[in-house]
Amino acid sequence: GAGVSQTPSNKVTEKGKYVELRCDPISGHTALYWYRQSLGQGPEFLIYFQGTGAADDSGLPNDRFFAVRPEGSVSTLKIQRTERGDSAVYLCASSYGGQGTRGELFFGEGSRLTVL
Amino acid sequence: LAKTTQPISMDSYEGQEVNITCSHNNIATNDYITWYQQFPSQGPRFIIQGYKTKVTNEVASLFIPADRKSSTLSLPRVSLSDTAVYYCLVGPMDSSYKLIFGSGTRLLVRP
Repeated sequence: GAGVSQTPSNKVTEKGKYVELRCDPISGHTALYWYRQSLGQGPEFLIYFQGTGAADDSGLPNDRFFAVRPEGSVSTLKIQRTERGDSAVYLCASSYGGQGTRGELFFGEGSRLTVL
Repeated sequence: LAKTTQPISMDSYEGQEVNITCSHNNIATNDYITWYQQFPSQGPRFIIQGYKTKVTNEVASLFIPADRKSSTLSLPRVSLSDTAVYYCLVGPMDSSYKLIFGSGTRLLVRP
């Protein structure tokens, strides 16, 4: 079956521009996560959705970052006024969610963002 | 969430068994131990999860001592394709299952 799909796979933008990254989770998965991974580091948690609502956005670095999931499926990570330090791979993951589940997260291949 | 400590890197040869140990001294009663594998240009992939004693699946085994302050991921007879970064994670398995990754262990398998 289809896994987590992320688009674009690569995005090059200029400092100060606005960027949107899209995640299409596995069908039926209620939980969706965004992570950011810098070179040589492990993924860093950004935000977690359970259904349409952001259950935990404690990882968003500042108010330039925002994510939505209006219908409880596809999610968009939005970055305003991009900075060179935002350059990283942005990973999306989904899971079936709910208490008592194995808790396995299924990751997409990521969107590589480069801010020039 | 409990902090984990694991070796930065390990080297091995094809056909050998590889054991990667992770320390998590502050593990909580309701925390589970999960290992993920990540290849270059891919997202992490779930390998195995356990709470105590031993868990085995088709890919690996996970050994957890009684005090649960450490765990060991065992990869039997590794191949070149097992070269990857391996992450040990500790956290509660509830409805807000937020994974906190460290820097992981870079395993290099040589021919």
